[in-house]
Amino acid sequence: QVQLVQSGAEVKKPGASVKVSCKASGYTFTSYGISWVRQAPGQGLEWMGWISAYNGNTNYAQKLQGRVTMTTDTSTSTAYMELRSLRSDDTAVYYCARVLMAPFDYWGQGTLVTVSS
Amino acid sequence: QSALTQPASVSGSPGQSITISCTGTSSDVGSYNLVSWYQQHPGKAPKLMIYEGSKRPSGVSNRFSGSKSGNTASLTISGLQAEDEADYYCCSYAGSSSWVFGGGTKLTVL
Repeated sequence: QVQLVQSGAEVKKPGASVKVSCKASGYTFTSYGISWVRQAPGQGLEWMGWISAYNGNTNYAQKLQGRVTMTTDTSTSTAYMELRSLRSDDTAVYYCARVLMAPFDYWGQGTLVTVSS
Repeated sequence: QSALTQPASVSGSPGQSITISCTGTSSDVGSYNLVSWYQQHPGKAPKLMIYEGSKRPSGVSNRFSGSKSGNTASLTISGLQAEDEADYYCCSYAGSSSWVFGGGTKLTVL
């Protein structure tokens, strides 16, 4: 069965970076893309960006351009999302989700990233 | 791009039907038949309920249905049950490998 398993919770200081992983299993990793979606406490879902697991092409949400990098390791079927220059409003649960055009049919369990001094 | 517009909250009694709207633009909802809907219970990851506007994934109750007209998509839940109480989000493909979510709607089953 398809599974996306994410890395554990992180606590970071303002200005630091965080890298969240998402290990896929149960399907051919390179046949789909991975999107990252975040949810601040008590808020809605925000699309952050997409990466093709086939060729590494990416597209990031405009508001995160320059601070976010998404990568994949096809040898381990793992996707990564790195967010730099963290601010308090980056505190959120970060989800990875499998996607092929649309929709996001399988989601990871979420990773809480807390940014606090 | 701007978030899709959803009502903040809707409510209904058990057995009733409710509809949640999702309004976008001609650049997203109006351009693609790629609207999806997600159900999210507190503390849980979103779950896909409707895709490509009106299709249901395997295992999703046929009480859930979707439609689209112009720049507005809708999710209808018939025969409301207590377990349907959750947050619901619409999402549309917006071209060039980008997506946009709605702000979310809290469904309360009275």
